[in-house]
Amino acid sequence: KAGVTQTPRYLIKTRGQQVTLSCSPISGHRSVSWYQQTPGQGLQFLFEYFSETQRNKGNFPGRFSGRQFSNSRSEMNVSTLELGDSALYLCASSSVLGASTDTQYFGPGTRLTVL
Amino acid sequence: AQRVTQPEKLLSVFKGAPVELKCNYSYSGSPELFWYVQYSRQRLQLLLRHISRESIKGFTADLNKGETSFHLKKPFAQEEDSAMYYCALRARNFNKFYFGSGTKLNVKP
Repeated sequence: KAGVTQTPRYLIKTRGQQVTLSCSPISGHRSVSWYQQTPGQGLQFLFEYFSETQRNKGNFPGRFSGRQFSNSRSEMNVSTLELGDSALYLCASSSVLGASTDTQYFGPGTRLTVL
Repeated sequence: AQRVTQPEKLLSVFKGAPVELKCNYSYSGSPELFWYVQYSRQRLQLLLRHISRESIKGFTADLNKGETSFHLKKPFAQEEDSAMYYCALRARNFNKFYFGSGTKLNVKP
């Protein structure tokens, strides 16, 4: 099976702009989670989607949003970018929501730089 | 509040030496604990989970609910074990993970 893919891999934006990141899960996986990784805060959970519905949400401002399509592909959007949004954004997919035996598979990430 | 603490940012050991990467957590319910590993230029991947009680690549981890710890151990470190290791907690029945800040393991020849 192909792994989790994320596009684009690198992105440079300026403050105030908005950005959309895309994640394609492993075929058959219906759960997609997003994480922000920074040197200072580490890996922080953004949100999780399952069957086109947001099931779990982290403690991020409303500027961070996401959605999931019927084919399980997911996008996350960050509006009004701030310098502090510069980070590696990771997507992870799994087949079942919260099953103990389920495994999350991570994508390579999108490196967002805000100037 | 849920929290995962990995007190060591960097751990350097010689090949063949025992390794213990520490992980402590705080969680009010009954959590699931995981160790993830990220080798150089590779993706973050699951190493092991407490519920499986398995040994992966010689690594084991035991959940100690009394001490709220989930330390990762290996009796004899290998150079290929050099990587970034993250401890993570998930609330049961929720696919929401809390990660520690990570420990970089450097195994010297």
